[in-house]
Amino acid sequence: RKEVEQDPGPFNVPEGATVAFNCTYSNSASQSFFWYRQDCRKEPKLLMSVYSSGNEDGRFTAQLNRASQYISLLIRDSKLSDSATYLCVVIFGTGNQFYFGTGTSLTVIP
Amino acid sequence: GEEVAQTPKHLVRGEGQKAKLYCAPIKGHSYVFWYQQVLKNEFKFLISFQNENVFDETGMPKERFSAKCLPNSPCSLEIQATKLEDSAVYFCASTRGLAENIQYFGAGTRLSVL
Repeated sequence: RKEVEQDPGPFNVPEGATVAFNCTYSNSASQSFFWYRQDCRKEPKLLMSVYSSGNEDGRFTAQLNRASQYISLLIRDSKLSDSATYLCVVIFGTGNQFYFGTGTSLTVIP
Repeated sequence: GEEVAQTPKHLVRGEGQKAKLYCAPIKGHSYVFWYQQVLKNEFKFLISFQNENVFDETGMPKERFSAKCLPNSPCSLEIQATKLEDSAVYFCASTRGLAENIQYFGAGTRLSVL
């Protein structure tokens, strides 16, 4: 079983739609969680960290459920510029290496 | 510098040739990580450094791959005798320390082995 699993999509949504991505992780000792965004094989860029209490940044909301080992990302009022691959990232262990999900592809359609 | 700098952007090698990739971390960042991204967005951790010391090499292939971070020089990842399956984008990331665990990525080096 992979350490981090994501629905690869693709998700094709119209502008203005709300879309949610999910991610599950296998290691219950995982301590840090992130959503990164990757555009067309460019470098991953941090979208937001994910905290147990949940956090929001503008149109983006991230949630963590430790009991279910589950992370989510909600994007409201989708923009064309949100089209990208969204990577779920988890850290566990002492090495601080990132464990990546395979990414979820989002295309926002005019 | 203010960003992770990777060179070259694209590297083309024939099978069996050597490939060497470079990474300069953000100034003040002590940790460097190397990842390999192949098709379908699969990222694979290769190796990490704390300054010039290997921190975690559990992802490094036992043969052909080596890496260094020397003082006052960019870090390097070297692949001896490249194979077709080494074709990938190699990303370097850096972080200030273990407590600040957000990693900042360079633009990557695309290695094409023909």
